[in-house]
Amino acid sequence: QVQLQESGPGLVKPSQTLSLTCTVSGDSINSGGFYWSWIRQHPGKGLEWIGYMYYSGRTYYNPSLKGRVTISGDTSKNQFSLKLSSVTAADTAVYYCARDLAGATAGVGYFQLWGQGIMVIVSS
Amino acid sequence: QSALTQPASVSGSPGQSITISCTGTGSDVGAYDYVSWYQQHPGKAPKLIIYDVTNRPSGVSNRFSGSKSGNTASLTISGLQAEDEAIYYCSSYTRSTTLGFGTGTSVTV
Repeated sequence: QVQLQESGPGLVKPSQTLSLTCTVSGDSINSGGFYWSWIRQHPGKGLEWIGYMYYSGRTYYNPSLKGRVTISGDTSKNQFSLKLSSVTAADTAVYYCARDLAGATAGVGYFQLWGQGIMVIVSS
Repeated sequence: QSALTQPASVSGSPGQSITISCTGTGSDVGAYDYVSWYQQHPGKAPKLIIYDVTNRPSGVSNRFSGSKSGNTASLTISGLQAEDEAIYYCSSYTRSTTLGFGTGTSVTV
């Protein structure tokens, strides 16, 4: 059974870099065919796709985040990470990591497996 | 990158059918059949219930069905049940190799 678990600080100061890690169990992030994604949800609001990483390391990001995002993988730990720089209060949200649906077209937004989510507050 | 447009709320009685619309543009919903729908209960992660416009992942009730016409996709829930009360989001792949979500629809049973 594949499981994803987000971890990282729940409080980040404005202008600093938000760093989160998603630990994957039951599957390998470089097993091929899947995109590994980050999605966030502002309090009481809708979902926002942040970006994703293919197993090869290729990445795609939401252009609205204007170059502040970096997603990378650590195959030795079977983890992938999110870094969001120059954060403001507008980056306060629940952050989810997710994986594609098996057996379907990859990288088109079919998020079958999700972590439980981690709330990150940006505040001084 | 604009969010796909959904009605804020839809309601129905148990046993009835309801339909939620998701309106995009010719650069997303109208351009690809990569439309999906998610169900989210309070405090929980979203659950994928429809992909490829009409397909259901294994284990998802056949009371959920999807369709698309032009730039608008739709989710129909038939035989409405109390457990269907949740927020529903559509999603679409876009021409700019990005992903967009809908504004979300709160379903009340």
